[in-house]
Formats: sequence, structure tokens, C-alpha cells
Amino acid sequence: GAVVSQHPSWVICKSGTSVKIECRSLDFQATTMFWYRQFPKQSLMLMATSNEGSKATYEQGVEKDKFLINHASLTLSTLTVTSAHPEDSSFYICSAYTGDTGELFFGEGSRLTVL
Amino acid sequence: GIQVEQSPPDLILQEGANSTLRCNFSDSVNNLQWFHQNPWGQLINLFYIPSGTKQNGRLSATTVATERYSLLYISSSQTTDSGVYFCASRISGGSNYKLTFGKGTLLTVNP
Repeated sequence: GAVVSQHPSWVICKSGTSVKIECRSLDFQATTMFWYRQFPKQSLMLMATSNEGSKATYEQGVEKDKFLINHASLTLSTLTVTSAHPEDSSFYICSAYTGDTGELFFGEGSRLTVL
Repeated sequence: GIQVEQSPPDLILQEGANSTLRCNFSDSVNNLQWFHQNPWGQLINLFYIPSGTKQNGRLSATTVATERYSLLYISSSQTTDSGVYFCASRISGGSNYKLTFGKGTLLTVNP
């Protein structure tokens, strides 16, 4: 199947700092990628849709100035958590469609801990 | 938006037992996927099954789109099957490509 890769797998940062998470499609081009967030023992919630070459579309209740998304190429989307606080600690997962089958593939996820 | 409900929320099995997980969705869909989330959090694609029946080893899935449900069958369960199983669907039509997830079924297979 298609491969979506995320980096870093886990990150610990101090409150007030910014953290960038990268999401790459390794063997296909992705004009659209999706960023999900998962709290412990809960389901995945869509945060935003990342569109190559244009602004991201954010779900209701997600602060676009807090979670900056950049989709500068057909294989890379980045999520930057700005001025992170402990409540931003979570598991962030990106995903993308290959386009030919409509099947969504996920990256390995990035676990963020804000101290 | 579309509502996705999974049942049961929790399931405990003895190794070797069979099980059926259910996913109900509230609208017509053009995408229905089953995932297994492993202990490290990664989502493993099990099936892409907007309709029909598919089988992969001990796992099989059936989606009856007209009745808005999908079933995941696990036969001869193993301890490595433990984890959370999610179904996710996408509403038909329009330009909205986002998948909506159910709350998952936590499966525990005991030796």
C-alpha cells in the first residue's frame, strides 16, 4: 500500500515553544492531506485539510493561528503547533489519499508532550 | 455531518474465539475503511470496503451500503489482534473528502 511518513515520532518541548511535524507521501503525490488529533482512549478527530498550494481548511473549533499548516509541495505537509501549552499534548496523525482508489493512508503519528 | 457508530465499545475474547464488530453510518457513503490501531498508535489499514465483501486471512469484512452498516469478522483470534478497531466513512457526493471515525472497539484477546 501507499506509504505516508511522519517525523518526528515523538517530541517533548517546553511550554511556549513551537513544534513542527512533517508529513510526507513517499511513493505518490498528494494534493490533499489531512491532519487528525487523538487524545488518550479517544477516537481520531479531524483538525484540518491541507491543500497543496493554498490555505488549509480548518474544522470548527480548531485555532488556525495555533496550528499552522503548510502544504508547499505535492509530497509534504507540515503542522506547526505554535506557543505550545500542556493542553496541546496529544497524538497527531496525518493522512493522504493516493487518488486512484480513494483509500486513505495514515502516517505513523507524532506524540507531542508539552511540559 | 455523517455519524459513525461502532459496537461493541469493548470486547474481551479468549484466544481462538471468533468475533464480529459492527459499524453503522448515517448517510450514503463512497468510502468505508476499517483500521487496527496498534499499541504504538499507528493505524493499520485492514479493509477499504465501500460495499461488498472482502477477506484477508483470518479477517473479513462486509459492507451493506443500502442498509448503512459494515461488519468486521475476526476468526480464530490471537493475542496480537488486541487493540482498537476503527471504522471510518466518507459521505457520498460533493467535494468533501474527509473521513469521519467511529469511537472504536477495544478488543482484548487473552491467552
